[in-house]
Amino acid sequence: DTEVTQTPKHLVMGMTNKKSLKCEQHMGHRAMYWYKQKAKKPPELMFVYSYEKLSINESVPSRFSPECPNSSLLNLHLHALQPEDSALYLCASSPLTGQGAEGTQYFGPGTRLLVL
Amino acid sequence: AQSVTQPDIHITVSEGASLELRCNYSYGATPYLFWYVQSPGQGLQLLLKYFSGDTLVQGIKGFEAEFKRSQSSFNLRKPSVHWSDAAEYFCAVGARNYGQNFVFGPGTRLSVLP
Repeated sequence: DTEVTQTPKHLVMGMTNKKSLKCEQHMGHRAMYWYKQKAKKPPELMFVYSYEKLSINESVPSRFSPECPNSSLLNLHLHALQPEDSALYLCASSPLTGQGAEGTQYFGPGTRLLVL
Repeated sequence: AQSVTQPDIHITVSEGASLELRCNYSYGATPYLFWYVQSPGQGLQLLLKYFSGDTLVQGIKGFEAEFKRSQSSFNLRKPSVHWSDAAEYFCAVGARNYGQNFVFGPGTRLSVLP
């Protein structure tokens, strides 16, 4: 099973709201990722977690706050977003060194976010 | 740092015709190479990957890709395109350090004529 699930599928929020995106995988992968994708563009990396620790933060504004509560879950907490943050947010996971097929990222279906 | 180019922004082919999508990469060593497909509003689905060994790689949905080190290319091919293949295709390169340095190409949009 190579499934990554994401909830919700769609989210509309105002600029003063607080919301969270959720991602889950049960493939035993120890790396998890958040990407942001604007229309007609490739995904842009936001955060990487390795062994549940934040290992890469691509200079993302603090209104995005990631959390990795355990090896299967990844959250992205959203607060005081701007309309330009409207995008498709993708979660991915991959095995790490020694787990085999390292480097292969498996993506969830994404959360379509609209900020009003 | 690695980089990926996909020279064709948009390609249109007729159903049943053959397809080749181009991908060129820049990386100091042998990279991990991937092709993903994305239907509108969906996530990315892995089509195939190359790590080492046989330079002709078979993937899902009848796709294949060939790694050519001398040309720094990893082109995607399909002998007969189906209407359901219409989508965005992304080539990606990963560094050999458990894949966190993962770079996508800009993508090629494929349209299929009936």
